[in-house]
Amino acid sequence: EIVLTQSPGTLSLSPGERATLSCRASQSVSSSYLAWYQQKPGQAPRLLIYGASSRATGIPDRFSGSGSGTDFTLTISRLEPEDFAVYYCQQYGSSPAAVFGQGTKVEIK
Amino acid sequence: QVQLVQSGAEVKKPGSSVKVSCKASGGTFSSYAISWVRQAPGQGLEWMGGIIPIFGTANYAQKFQGRVTITADESTSTAYMELSSLRSEDTAVYYCASREYYYDSSGYYWGQGYFQHWGQGTLVTVSS
Repeated sequence: EIVLTQSPGTLSLSPGERATLSCRASQSVSSSYLAWYQQKPGQAPRLLIYGASSRATGIPDRFSGSGSGTDFTLTISRLEPEDFAVYYCQQYGSSPAAVFGQGTKVEIK
Repeated sequence: QVQLVQSGAEVKKPGSSVKVSCKASGGTFSSYAISWVRQAPGQGLEWMGGIIPIFGTANYAQKFQGRVTITADESTSTAYMELSSLRSEDTAVYYCASREYYYDSSGYYWGQGYFQHWGQGTLVTVSS
């Protein structure tokens, strides 16, 4: 089974700064079937990015995804106060099992 | 727009079972797969298993095999997750989530996608 490792575990940044989150897979992710989610305390996760780089409906363009193979990145170009949250990557595709990374917390510095 | 509404919080004794429901509206129940994902306090997301209602067969994470049963009732557009032999470590928020499933050019099912819609979560507390 594929394993997703996210780094860093915590990112301490100020509003307006750029956030770069990494998700590394233990084996190649076919067809870039990689999604990113945002989760705020007490809320369900929200889909941000699918297909490694496509923004979900209603997601601001300050969020962008990139990468292929085993290395993927979520970038938030300029952090807004509402962006401080935990972010998860998830691999999908031919296996019915869904694999999540352990999460990266973006906190206010 | 698909909406998933889950049943309310539960408090259970160790060794007992819990059954959580997830009612879908705003879409065609047969056109997507439902998964159950849990989140222990302060922890990450953990996929437990899922079902494609029109197929009727569920898949489970190895960790939960033998302890979890996922079913779906197309007539009421409702999915269920039953977890047995509860222990304190099962205290968590349980989410249902929906995603598309894919067919190839020959019409054969080949996979499932990302989670587009999530239920609000159900807190299950296991305590004596």
